[in-house]
Amino acid sequence: NAGVMQNPRHLVRRRGQEARLRCSPMKGHSHVYWYRQLPEEGLKFMVYLQKENIIDESGMPKERFSAEFPKEGPSILRIQQVVRGDSAAYFCASSPDTLEQYFGPGTRLTVT
Amino acid sequence: AQSVTQLDSHVSVSEGTPVLLRCNYSSSYSPSLFWYVQHPNKGLQLLLKYTSAATLVKGINGFEAEFKKSETSFHLTKPSAHMSDAAEYFCVVTPGTGFQKLVFGTGTRLLVSP
Repeated sequence: NAGVMQNPRHLVRRRGQEARLRCSPMKGHSHVYWYRQLPEEGLKFMVYLQKENIIDESGMPKERFSAEFPKEGPSILRIQQVVRGDSAAYFCASSPDTLEQYFGPGTRLTVT
Repeated sequence: AQSVTQLDSHVSVSEGTPVLLRCNYSSSYSPSLFWYVQHPNKGLQLLLKYTSAATLVKGINGFEAEFKKSETSFHLTKPSAHMSDAAEYFCVVTPGTGFQKLVFGTGTRLLVSP
């Protein structure tokens, strides 16, 4: 059973461009979570999704950020008009219907 | 609201000596608590979890943690450090109500010297 997959692993964007981060959950997992880790900090919850539904987006900035988890395909975290402060590691986790979350290797976004 | 405080940002030990990483939590509900490890430029790996069963929890790689409600603590220990234990460790809390919104501490970097 492959683990949680994230791509790309590294992403460089110029200010004002769009960033798209992808997350493929483990097989059989229908819950997906996105977290952001700023340098020298712990992870911060952003959004929790189930298939085709956003369950909790209380940690997501109100502007420029959006997330989806379609019926088919990976979950996407989209950041429009990136700014330097968006530079961070973005981690996706998935879970079956239990507490334990399995984390992907992360996408490191650098905004130049 | 839930929160965790990791009392040390860095801990240095010698190989073969005991490891103690401290964590205190705050929770309005009966919490579930976790320790995750992050090696450089890698994802997070679950070390162990407490979900209101036995208060002494054993995890992978010889780590264990004890849930102490009276002290609101969940310290991580290992009897003998190995060089490969050098990493960032995160204490994590979530309300024990079934929703998995993890709240992370700021992390403790464990340094292991030969």
